[in-house]
Amino acid sequence: KAGVTQTPRYLIKTRGQQVTLSCSPISGHRSVSWYQQTPGQGLQFLFEYFSETQRNKGNFPGRFSGRQFSNSRSEMNVSTLELGDSALYLCASRRGGHADTQYFGPGTRLTVL
Amino acid sequence: DQQVKQNSPSLSVQEGRISILNCDYTNSMFDYFLWYKKYPAEGPTFLISISSIKDKNEDGRFTVFLNKSAKHLSLHIVPSQPGDSAVYFCAASGEGGSEKLVFGKGTKLTVNP
Repeated sequence: KAGVTQTPRYLIKTRGQQVTLSCSPISGHRSVSWYQQTPGQGLQFLFEYFSETQRNKGNFPGRFSGRQFSNSRSEMNVSTLELGDSALYLCASRRGGHADTQYFGPGTRLTVL
Repeated sequence: DQQVKQNSPSLSVQEGRISILNCDYTNSMFDYFLWYKKYPAEGPTFLISISSIKDKNEDGRFTVFLNKSAKHLSLHIVPSQPGDSAVYFCAASGEGGSEKLVFGKGTKLTVNP
């Protein structure tokens, strides 16, 4: 069974630009969550989508947005990039229930110059 | 305020000995706890979980203990192997029925041959 895939794996952008990251969940998983990992803050929850609807949201500014498609694939968008947005962005999928295990993808390493 | 804390940023043990990784949480609404392992350049990999209705869960060499009164959980790895060297993250969920994971900042485990 294929795992969670994320594209691209690495990305370099400049301040002010916008970026879109993609996540394909494990087949049969309807929930996709996004996390930001930085050395200082660790892993922080961005948002979760389930059946194309945002189900939970973390404490990030509105520049961070996402969506989910009918095939459960998800995209995350960051507009007006700032230097502090440089991080590893991780996507995780699960079937959808509260106790279901989240399985993580390898992440997208975003560098903002 | 950090709701999930891993107070030891690093831990070093000898191969064959026991590794004990600790995690404290402050939010009594958390009802599900997980441990993830992360290698460099990879996403976190699920290790083991425990529901708040239990105080112990075992899977092979890995055992998680939960002390609800102390709001403390620990991961025991016996015997430790060099391949266990990684960053270990403790995570919790369930606050207000939310399914988002709240992570600690991780403990880097090094198992010396």
